[in-house]
Amino acid sequence: EAGVAQSPRYKIIEKRQSVAFWCNPISGHATLYWYQQILGQGPKLLIQFQNNGVVDDSQLPKDRFSAERLKGVDSTLKIQPAKLEDSAVYLCASSQLRGSETQYFGPGTRLLVL
Amino acid sequence: AQSVTQPDIHITVSEGASLELRCNYSYGATPYLFWYVQSPGQGLQLLLKYFSGDTLVQGIKGFEAEFKRSQSSFNLRKPSVHWSDAAEYFCAVGVGTNAGKSTFGDGTTLTVKP
Repeated sequence: EAGVAQSPRYKIIEKRQSVAFWCNPISGHATLYWYQQILGQGPKLLIQFQNNGVVDDSQLPKDRFSAERLKGVDSTLKIQPAKLEDSAVYLCASSQLRGSETQYFGPGTRLLVL
Repeated sequence: AQSVTQPDIHITVSEGASLELRCNYSYGATPYLFWYVQSPGQGLQLLLKYFSGDTLVQGIKGFEAEFKRSQSSFNLRKPSVHWSDAAEYFCAVGVGTNAGKSTFGDGTTLTVKP
């Protein structure tokens, strides 16, 4: 069974530029999560989807971050415009059901904003 | 709101020695507790979880954790550490059975000496 796929693995941009990350969850997993992990900290949930609907985006900085999961499968997270403090690893995870406690994480996208 | 504290930022143990990683949580109701491991450049992998029942929980890779309500702790243990256990370990507390609502600690980095 293929795991959670993310691309790109690394991205370097300048502040005020835009960037997009892509995630393909495990086949059949209804729930998809995006996390931000700043160096030296634990992951912080940005947004949670159940199929193609948003369950929780309370910690998503909506003035610059957006995410979509149009067909209930893969998802895109966008930052526009990027700030220096957005430098982090962006992790995508999926689980079979919203109530499922087992999340499967992708390898992450490491973003550096200069 | 819930919170998690991992008091030890970095721990070094010799290969074959026992290991205990500390985790303290703050949450008003019955917690749902998790331990994850993250190897360099990789996503997070679930080691074990506690929802209810037996307070001593067995996980993968020979790890176990004990839930102590009186001490608000969920410490991770392993009787004999292998060099491949070197990684970063995260404790998380969940709200209900929706694992995506978990709050993570800032992690403990484990170094294993030969």
